[in-house]
Amino acid sequence: GENVEQHPSTLSVQEGDSAVIKCTYSDSASNYFPWYKQELGKRPQLIIDIRSNVGEKKDQRIAVTLNKTAKHFSLHITETQPEDSAVYFCAARGGKLIFGQGTELSVKP
Amino acid sequence: DTGVSQNPRHKITKRGQNVTFRCDPISEHNRLYWYRQTLGQGPEFLTYFQNEAQLEKSRLLSDRFSAERPKGSFSTLEIQRTEQGDSAMYLCASSPLGGNQETQYFGPGTRLLVL
Repeated sequence: GENVEQHPSTLSVQEGDSAVIKCTYSDSASNYFPWYKQELGKRPQLIIDIRSNVGEKKDQRIAVTLNKTAKHFSLHITETQPEDSAVYFCAARGGKLIFGQGTELSVKP
Repeated sequence: DTGVSQNPRHKITKRGQNVTFRCDPISEHNRLYWYRQTLGQGPEFLTYFQNEAQLEKSRLLSDRFSAERPKGSFSTLEIQRTEQGDSAMYLCASSPLGGNQETQYFGPGTRLLVL
């Protein structure tokens, strides 16, 4: 069935460093790839998304890249700050939205 | 607050009891989704509505689960004869028709604990 694999499950970086989270998907019909940030006890919040007709998208310190041939996409956060600490989820949509297992990002001051 | 709202935020119930949760989507969003999230996992799709029509149901949605959206606005999710394995966060999301129809906005969730 449809599946999204996300790595790593935990990621610890120093403030100011970059963080990269990678996802692979199985459904070749997937054409929409959002990323959500979820702080403890709060709702998932969309931080960036990309559609299959685009290879890269950037919004300030956050960028997402998509490789449709390899069926993988990545989230890049530059100049990390302590407030970036949260769980990040990737997702892929062919029919319904399928989420990855999440990456717990910890940014140490 | 014009975002997605959910009530109650927390529910503790005894095994075998029925529970009902409510979701109010963003005004004029015609698509509404229900997800279940357990600790350390991403949200899992349960079902989705376009207006009042329930268009898709996951195999995760057993016969004990039923969802409605009678007037195409708010939705309810009912779990009958709750089991301990139903303990989870139940999230609702909505998305608009047209434009960024794929973008889903989540509510704060209802955390269910079945004792």
